[in-house]
Amino acid sequence: DAKTTQPTSMDCAEGRAANLPCNHSTISGNEYVYWYRQIHSQGPQYIIHGLKNNETNEMASLIITEDRKSSTLILPHATLRDTAVYYCIVGSMEYGNKLVFGAGTILRVKS
Amino acid sequence: SQTIHQWPATLVQPVGSPLSLECTVEGTSNPNLYWYRQAAGRGLQLLFYSVGIGQISSEVPQNLSASRPQDRQFILSSKKLLLSDSGFYLCAWSRSSGVAQYFGAGTRLSVL
Repeated sequence: DAKTTQPTSMDCAEGRAANLPCNHSTISGNEYVYWYRQIHSQGPQYIIHGLKNNETNEMASLIITEDRKSSTLILPHATLRDTAVYYCIVGSMEYGNKLVFGAGTILRVKS
Repeated sequence: SQTIHQWPATLVQPVGSPLSLECTVEGTSNPNLYWYRQAAGRGLQLLFYSVGIGQISSEVPQNLSASRPQDRQFILSSKKLLLSDSGFYLCAWSRSSGVAQYFGAGTRLSVL
């Protein structure tokens, strides 16, 4: 079973920041927070990951709370092409580095 | 750069027929390899993963099997397909010490 809780869906205006929340209250000390997204009929795409510190890359920023029980993925300037299902996943880098996908959040970016 | 190839893109098979889906990765060595399935309107379910040639771990009991005959080749098979095997099958790879998984374009299987 997925160890994360995400809203079922969210809307965002084009050009505005999209803030996608995720709760992972049972996260263990060695578990990372990963974000992937899946655009309709395509394979999932890796976005970003973090352990304790906030992270930023060319796609997004990841803000992890100090107690690590929740996080927020930020798309700074959402475009229509960012419409997708966004998955928040927690997992360790142990044998096989397995990911357990939940239902995710459907993000709709609207013009 | 690394690329992952998965074929065919679409497949329609009768119930009881065999299945063979192939996935290959280029540009890296000793990757971890994964097979996922996504039923219509559902999330991704991990079916198999492999950390090396001949090493296969199965996550759920099912009508499918996987093999890794070469370092960068991962095959998903079935001897007799069931209706419930229909879905979107995705292959993925990661570096053996890496974090991110990179997915192929997927195969949409319809069993009729």
